[in-house]
Amino acid sequence: DAKTTQPPSMDCAEGRAANLPCNHSTISGNEYVYWYRQIHSQGPQYIIHGLKNNETNEMASLIITEDRKSSTLILPHATLRDTAVYYCIVRAGQGAQKLVFGQGTRLTINP
Amino acid sequence: NAGVTQTPKFQVLKTGQSMTLQCAQDMNHEYMSWYRQDPGMGLRLIHYSVGAGITDQGEVPNGYNVSRSTTEDFPLRLLSAAPSQTSVYFCASSSGTVSYNEQFFGPGTRLTVL
Repeated sequence: DAKTTQPPSMDCAEGRAANLPCNHSTISGNEYVYWYRQIHSQGPQYIIHGLKNNETNEMASLIITEDRKSSTLILPHATLRDTAVYYCIVRAGQGAQKLVFGQGTRLTINP
Repeated sequence: NAGVTQTPKFQVLKTGQSMTLQCAQDMNHEYMSWYRQDPGMGLRLIHYSVGAGITDQGEVPNGYNVSRSTTEDFPLRLLSAAPSQTSVYFCASSSGTVSYNEQFFGPGTRLTVL
């Protein structure tokens, strides 16, 4: 699996866009980029995934560079409830049970 | 749908005791997994299953057994608890019929081994 690198912590003001970077320079052509988050001590929650193109859903947007070696998760209007640890994971699509969670980025949204 | 449920929520064991952590899902998902999370760390995969009767080891399988007799249930057994197994345990499930992997996680079981 491709290894990912994320900053250990970030801060963002409430109402502003939170941009979380992830480097995955050894990603293979069949590997997706997944983002999960873990709020406090709850189970992780799926946010979004992408292969090559940028993706958007009701929670976030995912921007993947053309060479696929890095990506950015964007929370467009961060709220206090978005305070969590965010995990960037690279894994092949089908049968991808072995999600490898690094230490993620601890995002703190400040009032 | 209840999603993924785990019992118990909290458990304290003495070294050497055995116990089973329960996990159930009502989404008819083929895939189920067990992870553990130590303080300040990311999740690590213990065991996983791609369907009833099929299980395989993850990253940290030692000291744990699993079985999958039904699609819904995936219990995790601690054979002889050790203090190093103090952790939060998460169960997850996902569908095998889609091309990507969105795992649904349970609320976790917080285990302390004295």
